[in-house]
Amino acid sequence: EAGVAQSPRYKIIEKRQSVAFWCNPISGHATLYWYQQILGQGPKLLIQFQNNGVVDDSQLPKDRFSAERLKGVDSTLKIQPAKLEDSAVYLCASSLDLGGSETQYFGPGTRLLVL
Amino acid sequence: GNSVTQMEGPVTLSEEAFLTINCTYTATGYPSLFWYVQYPGEGLQLLLKATKADDKGSNKGFEATYRKETTSFHLEKGSVQVSDSAVYFCALTGANSKLTFGKGITLSVRP
Repeated sequence: EAGVAQSPRYKIIEKRQSVAFWCNPISGHATLYWYQQILGQGPKLLIQFQNNGVVDDSQLPKDRFSAERLKGVDSTLKIQPAKLEDSAVYLCASSLDLGGSETQYFGPGTRLLVL
Repeated sequence: GNSVTQMEGPVTLSEEAFLTINCTYTATGYPSLFWYVQYPGEGLQLLLKATKADDKGSNKGFEATYRKETTSFHLEKGSVQVSDSAVYFCALTGANSKLTFGKGITLSVRP
């Protein structure tokens, strides 16, 4: 079974530029998550989708971050404009369904450096 | 809100030593508890989980028991190997399946 795919793996941009990340979850997984992992910290949830609807985006900085999952499969996360503090690893995860006991499967992440 | 506290690291052990990594949590309701591991150059992967009090999760020689009375989920392994060198994250979910992670701890095992 293919895992969660993410691209690109690495990205370097100047501050105030825009950037987009792509995620393809495990086939059949209804729930998709985007996490931000700053160096030395645990991942922090940015947004959670159930099919193509948003379940939780309370931690998403909506003035600069946006995310969509239009057809309930792939998802993109965009940052515009980027700030220095956005340098982090952006992780995508998916699970079969909602529910506290569901296992989330993580992709390899996209490492973003903002200069 | 929910939170997870892990012991400070890093931890360095010799091969075949006993490992304990402490994890305590604060949560409302009845969370599920997880240990995730991140090997060098790889993504996060589930190591083990427990979904109710007194459950024991186990995998690859690692174990952790869900202790509601002490709000803890400590990770243990009787004999670590060099290949266990990684970053370990304790995490919990509430009913909405939002994962809350601890800061992680780096384990280095020397031959």
